[in-house]
Order: sequence, then C-alpha cells, then structure tokens
Amino acid sequence: GIQVEQSPPDLILQEGANSTLRCNFSDSVNNLQWFHQNPWGQLINLFYIPSGTKQNGRLSATTVATERYSLLYISSSQTTDSGVYFCAGVNYGGSQGNLIFGKGTKLSVKP
Amino acid sequence: DTGVSQDPRHKITKRGQNVTFRCDPISEHNRLYWYRQTLGQGPEFLTYFQNEAQLEKSRLLSDRFSAERPKGSFSTLEIQRTEQGDSAMYLCASRTGPPEQFFGPGTRLTVL
Repeated sequence: GIQVEQSPPDLILQEGANSTLRCNFSDSVNNLQWFHQNPWGQLINLFYIPSGTKQNGRLSATTVATERYSLLYISSSQTTDSGVYFCAGVNYGGSQGNLIFGKGTKLSVKP
Repeated sequence: DTGVSQDPRHKITKRGQNVTFRCDPISEHNRLYWYRQTLGQGPEFLTYFQNEAQLEKSRLLSDRFSAERPKGSFSTLEIQRTEQGDSAMYLCASRTGPPEQFFGPGTRLTVL
C-alpha cells in the first residue's frame, strides 16, 4: 500500500517563529488533506488541497501532485498551534476513498 | 450546520466485555468512514458506508468488530469480547460528493 512519510516527526519552536512541515507519498494520491489534532484528539480540517497552493491566515499549504509531496507552512507561530499535524491522501486504485495518514508531526510552540 | 458527533467520548471496559459506539454524521452526508488511532500513530481505516451499504472493510476489522448504518444516517461500531489491544481512539468521518472528509471528536476506548 501507499506509504505516507511526514517530516520532521517532532518540532519545537519559540513563539513567533515560522516552520515548514513536509509530507511525501510513495505513490500518486488524490484528495490530499491537512489536519491539526488538538490535545483532546479532535482532527481539525486545515486544508483540502489536491494540488496548488492555498492560504488561510497564518497557515498556507502547497501540494505538488506530480512530485508526490505537500508542504504546510506555519508563520508567526502561537502556543495554540501546538499539537500534532497530519497529512492524508486517498489512493482510489485500492479503496473507496478512505484516507491514508502519515504518523504526524508533533509541534510544540514555547512562549 | 452541526459537525460529526460521536458517543460516548470515553469508554472504559473490562476485557471480554462488548462495547458499542455511535457516530452521527453531518446531515446529508451519505458517506461515512470509521478509523482507529493508536498512540503515536495516524488514524487507520476500518470501514466505509455509502448510505446504508457497507462497501469496504479493512483487514484490521476482525470478526469481533461489526458496523452498521441501518437507515443511512447514524452508524454504530460494536466490538465483541474486547481485548487490551483494542484500546485506541475510534474516529468517525463523513463526506458528501466532494471528497473532503470531516471528523468527529472520537471515542477513546480503554480496555482493562
């Protein structure tokens, strides 16, 4: 099956710093999504970004589908950005649309 | 528009007991997914419904697990004869035509 690799696995930032999280796929995927999992376990939708670039406030994401990777940019980080960030995509060749997740990037933002 | 809801949020049970979880998708979302997440891992797919039809099951879904979506609205996931290895967060997601999935808050299961 498709492998999803996220890097870095852990990231510690000082408040106000910028960061880039990366997601690599071993094969072509569709319907790429980025999520933030809060301390209570809820997955919050950040971006649905099968290709191209999107921005939402301090966050932006870019997916280059032909090269099988996606990037999540966080600018001017805040302590509330702490948590685990997941990327996930769909491989329609083998499924009915279920998402395949990476192991996540755990972000800690220090005041 | 309310989001996906799940009940209960937490469940503690003893090994060998049966448990049942409920998921209410976003209204008019005809597609519903169950995932399981263990500590330090991303969620893994369990099963998929389109309306009331269960169209796909992962090999993770052993014969102790059963899921239903009787009227194409809410869904239940039952685990029989729970084992300690079943301890995990069980997540439900829904979507309609557009492929973006929306997740509920999850049910955290602890098997003692």
